[in-house]
Amino acid sequence: SSELTQDPAVSVALGQTVRITCQGDSLRSYYASWYQQKPGQAPVLVIYGKNNRPSGIPDRFSGSSSGNTASLTITGAQAEDEADYYCNSRDSSGNHRVFGTGTKVTVL
Amino acid sequence: EVQLVESGGGLVQPGGSLRLSCAASGFTFSSYWMHWVRQAPGKGLVWVSRINSDGSSTSYADSVKGRFTISRDNAKNTLYLQMNSLRAEDTAVYYCAREVGIAVAATYYFDYWGQGTLVTVSS
Repeated sequence: SSELTQDPAVSVALGQTVRITCQGDSLRSYYASWYQQKPGQAPVLVIYGKNNRPSGIPDRFSGSSSGNTASLTITGAQAEDEADYYCNSRDSSGNHRVFGTGTKVTVL
Repeated sequence: EVQLVESGGGLVQPGGSLRLSCAASGFTFSSYWMHWVRQAPGKGLVWVSRINSDGSSTSYADSVKGRFTISRDNAKNTLYLQMNSLRAEDTAVYYCAREVGIAVAATYYFDYWGQGTLVTVSS
């Protein structure tokens, strides 16, 4: 399968921890990358590879992977973390790319 | 500073054509694979197409294969997407994105994105 499945929505209390998961066969071969998208804005890379953050991304964002599942964890969620989050990887053939279905994170 | 600036979007009738451009600056354009990603209104991100660094290899999502053509002009630091036989379901914001690939680490990611250009297919 070339699909990446995410939960549609999750909520987290301010300052608490939330984990977003992404499932797909391609994740057995490739690491996922994770993107944050706020309304009306382009996506922003937040995690790539085993667990790497681009410059400027707070260290409350972390990533992990096991089998066919990749996870993005926000430890100590802030109001500004409220956004849609998408995973992405190469597909199983390696020729295409595929995005997850997206998870809307609400910070309460 | 890395910049990707899309242009060429607009309103087009079903069956029509449009060419999108993505002007790149601030990096060695010819060294990177480039992609187009789209997002229909209120929907998620969808990968559309990619081209390798010298333009010799391309790949397309099944939904656009045979209708869209990705290309690049490394002398002009510009990426293109020629869209033919447009359908209502092609209505979306189209983003160009730069890809970094580290094959030995099985790691691929889009580190820079443009701001997007809106394509509306409607009569």
